[in-house]
This record gives sequence, structure tokens and C-alpha cells, in this order.
Amino acid sequence: SSDLTQDPAVSVALGQTVTITCRGASLTSYYASWYQQRPGQAPVLVIYGENNRPSGIPDRFSGSRSGNTVSLTITGAQAEDEADYYCNSRDNSGNHVVFGGGTKVTVL
Amino acid sequence: QVQLQESGPGLVKASQTLSLRCTVSGVSISTFGSYWGWIRQHPGKGLEYIAHIYHTGSAYYNPSLKSRVTMSVDRSKNQFSLTVNSLTAADTATYYCARLYGDYGSDAFDIWGQGTMVTVSS
Repeated sequence: SSDLTQDPAVSVALGQTVTITCRGASLTSYYASWYQQRPGQAPVLVIYGENNRPSGIPDRFSGSRSGNTVSLTITGAQAEDEADYYCNSRDNSGNHVVFGGGTKVTVL
Repeated sequence: QVQLQESGPGLVKASQTLSLRCTVSGVSISTFGSYWGWIRQHPGKGLEYIAHIYHTGSAYYNPSLKSRVTMSVDRSKNQFSLTVNSLTAADTATYYCARLYGDYGSDAFDIWGQGTMVTVSS
């Protein structure tokens, strides 16, 4: 089991907005990061810290936090956004890293 | 640009020890604030954190794997390594190395290797 909980799957119509959530007690103390993983590829960091995007990540990706829940929002989803998305953060001890179970995003 | 490349055997026997290496290019492994980690992914499953290490040798391990894994750093070769002993079929996975970077509490795995598939056979 994971310290971070994600919904297994979500779908979104092309061009619409989708929000993925990640819940965990440690998220009240630590920021989360979000990773996109397309089939057969390594994960790619898309959001880190409060709401920061690495260079090259489109601005349709954004992050937010409220209490023990963090969210990744894709505004105007594109076909290439169809992928698995994982959140990660520190565990309650702060010494270890944990990942959420992942959310499969399908773009219809 | 910063690149990471995993290397190691694709096939190992159960009960034996797996040794993986990650070669870092484009940045010194001793860069302040850069930690170096391993993450694995079982076939068709999610990401599992294994461990991470600082260039000084301070290492942190997933409690569920701590008894079987060890990380080390070779600063002269700009490499870091992972060993997993007492292998079972449950260790069959794709193993990724990655850089953990950023301020504590908001750090993230910002650079990933392409991954190396490891199969444990009986």
C-alpha cells in the first residue's frame, strides 16, 4: 500500500479540463511532485514544489494544494497528455520518498 | 544537458545479488543539493521508491526494502550503484535511476534514466 492515494483512472474529452488528486497525511508538511509516464517511456517531471513547471512543460499543467490533498490540473487536454500520472512526496518521517499508485488519464 | 544511464544484467537468478550502476553525465555527482536515487516499476504496475543517496555517502532506504538493498557512490567515475540481494521473482521490474533535486520538502526527481529491465529467473 502507498502513503499517497490516487484515483486509478480518469477520462477527459479533448480540449477539456481534468483534475487529478493525490491524498496523504504527509502532504500537510511537504510539497508533492507530479510525473507523466507515457507507455514504454521513463517518467517525466511535470510539476514540483508549490506549482512549478520544469522547462519544456506546457503551461496547461498546473498544481495546487489544499490540506492533505494535492491536485494536478490539465487545462485544455491534448491527445499527447494521455498517460499515467504519479504524485510523489516525502513520507511522514521526512526521510523517505513515496509515490502514489498512479492515475491513468484517457483523452477521449 | 544532464543525462543518466543505467547499466546491469538483464537476467539474474533467484537468491542471487543484483548490481546496477547509473552513470551521470553533464553534471558532477557531487553537486550541492543533488541526491541520486533508484525507483523501480513492476510490469504493468506503479512506481516504487527504492533508495536515494548523497555524494557524501549518506543513504536513505525504503523501509520495506532496507534489509536487502545498498546504495553507494563512486565520485571518481561520476556513478552511483544499487545492490539488491536475496532476489526473488518479485524483484522483476524496470529499474530507473534519477536525480532528486531541490529544496528539502519540495525536491523532486527531475532527471531520469531510460530504465533497465531486470528479470529474476528461477
